[in-house]
Amino acid sequence: GAVVSQHPSWVICKSGTSVKIECRSLDFQATTMFWYRQFPKQSLMLMATSNEGSKATYEQGVEKDKFLINHASLTLSTLTVTSAHPEDSSFYICSARRATGTQGGELFFGEGSRLTVL
Amino acid sequence: DAKTTQPPSMDCAEGRAANLPCNHSTISGNEYVYWYRQIHSQGPQYIIHGLKNNETNEMASLIITEDRKSSTLILPHATLRDTAVYYCIVRVGGGSNYKLTFGKGTLLTVNP
Repeated sequence: GAVVSQHPSWVICKSGTSVKIECRSLDFQATTMFWYRQFPKQSLMLMATSNEGSKATYEQGVEKDKFLINHASLTLSTLTVTSAHPEDSSFYICSARRATGTQGGELFFGEGSRLTVL
Repeated sequence: DAKTTQPPSMDCAEGRAANLPCNHSTISGNEYVYWYRQIHSQGPQYIIHGLKNNETNEMASLIITEDRKSSTLILPHATLRDTAVYYCIVRVGGGSNYKLTFGKGTLLTVNP
């Protein structure tokens, strides 16, 4: 199947700093990528939909100025957590929609990035 | 959005079939049922999806009732590595322009 890679897989930062997480589709082009957040023992919560070359669409209750999303190419989307605080500590997961091919339209998930804010 | 209801947890003996139920009574005629699973601290893994016919692949089988109000994911011979949270999701949106919204899922524990 198609591969989606996230980097870093885990990161620890100090409160008040900004952290960038990358999501790459390694062997396919993705016109749309999604960002999820997952707290311990909870389900995945969709944060935003990212379309290549346009502004991201945020779900209700997600602060767009807090969670900056950039989708500059068909294989890369980034999530920047600005001025991170301990309550932002979570597991962040991206998924990418394959644009074309035999699995066109299907979603593939990254392995997740664990953020710990001290 | 069509909602799904799953039992919070289930147990299964290793080597036996695991049958995971899902209710989606408000599903629309053109909405697909997707199943993903998430092993602890990993990203979700696609298992199978279907519209109205039963589906089978190398991982599992999906049985959808005739009225489409419920479905069952079957792992024919569960192994310890199948221990995970299984999510039943109704696909929101038409064509290839859709997003997946996750519910609470079922924690399947496969016991030796």
